[in-house]
Amino acid sequence: AQKVTQAQTEISVVEKEDVTLDCVYETRDTTYYLFWYKQPPSGELVFLIRRNSFDEQNEISGRYSWNFQKSTSSFNFTITASQVVDSAVYFCALTPPSNEKLTFGTGTRLTIIP
Amino acid sequence: GAVVSQHPSWVICKSGTSVKIECRSLDFQATTMFWYRQFPKQSLMLMATSNEGSKATYEQGVEKDKFLINHASLTLSTLTVTSAHPEDSSFYICSAKDSLLQPQHFGDGTRLSIL
Repeated sequence: AQKVTQAQTEISVVEKEDVTLDCVYETRDTTYYLFWYKQPPSGELVFLIRRNSFDEQNEISGRYSWNFQKSTSSFNFTITASQVVDSAVYFCALTPPSNEKLTFGTGTRLTIIP
Repeated sequence: GAVVSQHPSWVICKSGTSVKIECRSLDFQATTMFWYRQFPKQSLMLMATSNEGSKATYEQGVEKDKFLINHASLTLSTLTVTSAHPEDSSFYICSAKDSLLQPQHFGDGTRLSIL
């Protein structure tokens, strides 16, 4: 069985601060995909990143960066210099090698205070 | 690219009504589509997986006769909530993918309110 845990239910930070969203996962598969999605108040899910379990390189995309540590089964997401537009619920998710069923974490509601 | 359109965005209807939600992949052929349900302030729960031209595979606890899924073409899947009741009120969101190598891309979701 697969499980994704996002222990932080809600986080509030002041604009321009850095913030890290934690994600810990459990799976028996030796290969898998990890994802982060953003869900703004309007409700749509925005794909942010997909990471193959073989690729442990950290990734940076603008103000976003991801730290994948297979040894601790974690895939954390950092937003640097946060902005009000970053306010949303962020979901971490996991799929097996077939890349079919997404198992979502419970999400972290991020509020950026102007 | 990889745009998924979901319609309608909002539905308010009376108890006992059947409601159809459409999910379309606009710029790719979706061999597989997924339907999720999300209650307020909760995570997304997969309801069913549908492959074009075959019957949907439902997750445990999801009533097949209640939530009818049709994936008649490579660009369209529909979810029909039959004889909807207030407890069916939720946010329904679909996703689509074109191959094993691609991530799922989500529609904008449908807010269903049953009075």
